[in-house]
Amino acid sequence: EPEVTQTPSHQVTQMGQEVILRCVPISNHLYFYWYRQILGQKVEFLVSFYNNEISEKSEIFDDQFSVERPDGSNFTLKIRSTKLEDSAMYFCASSYVRTSAYEQYFGPGTRLTVT
Amino acid sequence: ELKVEQNPLFLSMQEEKNYTIYCNYSTTSDRLYWYRQDPGKSLESLFVLLSNGAVKQEGRLMASLDTKARLSTLHITAAVHDLSATYFCAVDNRSNDMRFGAGTRLTVKP
Repeated sequence: EPEVTQTPSHQVTQMGQEVILRCVPISNHLYFYWYRQILGQKVEFLVSFYNNEISEKSEIFDDQFSVERPDGSNFTLKIRSTKLEDSAMYFCASSYVRTSAYEQYFGPGTRLTVT
Repeated sequence: ELKVEQNPLFLSMQEEKNYTIYCNYSTTSDRLYWYRQDPGKSLESLFVLLSNGAVKQEGRLMASLDTKARLSTLHITAAVHDLSATYFCAVDNRSNDMRFGAGTRLTVKP
């Protein structure tokens, strides 16, 4: 069964460093998403991406964040200058169409630890 | 702004008992999702509810949606230990994103 994959599974970085989190969505999916979950808290929407551009973004997704689909398979989230409060689990998700009829499939997550 | 509230946040159940988790949301939406998350794991889709009155069942779990009341319920029947996990409801924000509830951490004890 097709699945969303994410790398790395765990990333440790120092405050102020740039990180890139990678995701490979399900191959025929058209919509891509990033969410984050601070330990023990709820899942928060960051950004959605369709047709090579951002569709929606939340207030969390400030200028420190960017997304890119550099090729036909990868979808990346970049944090330019990490802060301690960026420590969280980051989930990538994809869907074939908007969530109106099809659910989003989530990847296993990348645990980001900023020290 | 769409707000999604779940209750209870923590639920400790004995095996074979029944219980219901509630999910209220603040603005009109007819798309609601239930996810399960095991500790340190990703989100597993349980149910997709797309219309008023929708009811879906899988094993000991049954989910329903009342769009007029802006309420969804996840009912657990005859709980077993394997159901211990955190359950999230999520509501389609009609802006291409989902808003999640805070989650209900369910513990089923023998």
